[in-house]
Amino acid sequence: RKEVEQDPGPFNVPEGATVAFNCTYSNSASQSFFWYRQDCRKEPKLLMSVYSSGNEDGRFTAQLNRASQYISLLIRDSKLSDSATYLCVVSGYSTLTFGKGTMLLVSP
Amino acid sequence: DAGVIQSPRHEVTEMGQEVTLRCKPISGHNSLFWYRQTMMRGLELLIYFNNNVPIDDSGMPEDRFSAKMPNASFSTLKIQPSEPRDSAVYFCASSLGHSNEKLFFGSGTQLSVL
Repeated sequence: RKEVEQDPGPFNVPEGATVAFNCTYSNSASQSFFWYRQDCRKEPKLLMSVYSSGNEDGRFTAQLNRASQYISLLIRDSKLSDSATYLCVVSGYSTLTFGKGTMLLVSP
Repeated sequence: DAGVIQSPRHEVTEMGQEVTLRCKPISGHNSLFWYRQTMMRGLELLIYFNNNVPIDDSGMPEDRFSAKMPNASFSTLKIQPSEPRDSAVYFCASSLGHSNEKLFFGSGTQLSVL
């Protein structure tokens, strides 16, 4: 099992849609979880941390399920500007491990 | 505040040449990371430093790659000799404390080895 697995997509959705991504991880001892966003030809940028109780930041909601070892990201009311690749990030044995990302394309 | 600064933004070189990538972390950050990103393999950690000391270099592909951090505000990643398979985007990132905290990335260096 890969350390961090994501569906590469692309997810094609119209503006205003709700879209959800999942990510599974293999290290049951992981303590830190994040979602990063990467625009084409740009660096990854932190979107949000993921807490055990779940957390929300505007249109974005992140959830953690430790028992099943997955985290999710829900985007409501998608905007054109949400088009990007979303990277799932999990703490490993010594450093953070990045998934390969899920590409989201929001169309008019 | 200045973020992580990398140079050059783009580097085109011929096989066999030496390549040096540079990074200035965010002031006050104690950990610095070098990543390589390709379509096939995604983001791979090459090496990370904590308080200027290399802690984990298990991701460094081979002896052709070396990294240094002579002080808290500067690091280099050197490839000698370079090969076409080294073509990738190389990112430097820094974090405030230990290695499992959130990272702040530089803009990356797009390396093309012909």
